[in-house]
Amino acid sequence: AAGVIQSPRHLIKEKRETATLKCYPIPRHDTVYWYQQGPGQDPQFLISFYEKMQSDKGSIPDRFSAQQFSDYHSELNMSSLELGDSALYFCASSPWTGRRETQYFGPGTRLLVL
Amino acid sequence: AQTVTQSQPEMSVQEAETVTLSCTYDTSESDYYLFWYKQPPSRQMILVIRQEAYKQQNATENRFSVNFQKAAKSFSLKISDSQLGDAAMYFCAVNYGQNFVFGPGTRLSVLP
Repeated sequence: AAGVIQSPRHLIKEKRETATLKCYPIPRHDTVYWYQQGPGQDPQFLISFYEKMQSDKGSIPDRFSAQQFSDYHSELNMSSLELGDSALYFCASSPWTGRRETQYFGPGTRLLVL
Repeated sequence: AQTVTQSQPEMSVQEAETVTLSCTYDTSESDYYLFWYKQPPSRQMILVIRQEAYKQQNATENRFSVNFQKAAKSFSLKISDSQLGDAAMYFCAVNYGQNFVFGPGTRLSVLP
């Protein structure tokens, strides 16, 4: 079965640089979520999109932005990177059936900011 | 604020034995889903089991089962016949609206 695809899997950036993370949801899933997981921490919700519109916003810094495209893939754009942005970034997708549904997680993108 | 609590930061179990991981949550909603996710050293988040709050019957998936007590807002995970591959971080999560709230996790070690 197809899973959530994230690219790149690993990314190394310098402070103050920008980074773009991509997420390709499971086919026919129209809702995408982004999470940040620091070392030894639980995943923290950043932002979600449903049918290409932002549906909910969590603890996403103003330096970050995201969008969902017409093919339902999503990109998380991170600017002015800080050392504290080093983390594992998960994308998850779910189908919207009118009820709260299971989120299926991608393998994550490991971001290291030097 | 919605909260999810896992009171056991670490647990250990002997191979082939049974272990129960605890989770409590706080919500004013009546319709929600509860989940247990497993995160092995690879850090992939793997769905273990899910429970719909409006269903009274406890969910079961092979060796994994839950004890869902809605009134007590408790959602524990029982792992039977523990295997070495069960060693991982286990996160309890509750789906409020469009996003999940995760608990802090329980690190499970399986002893041979």
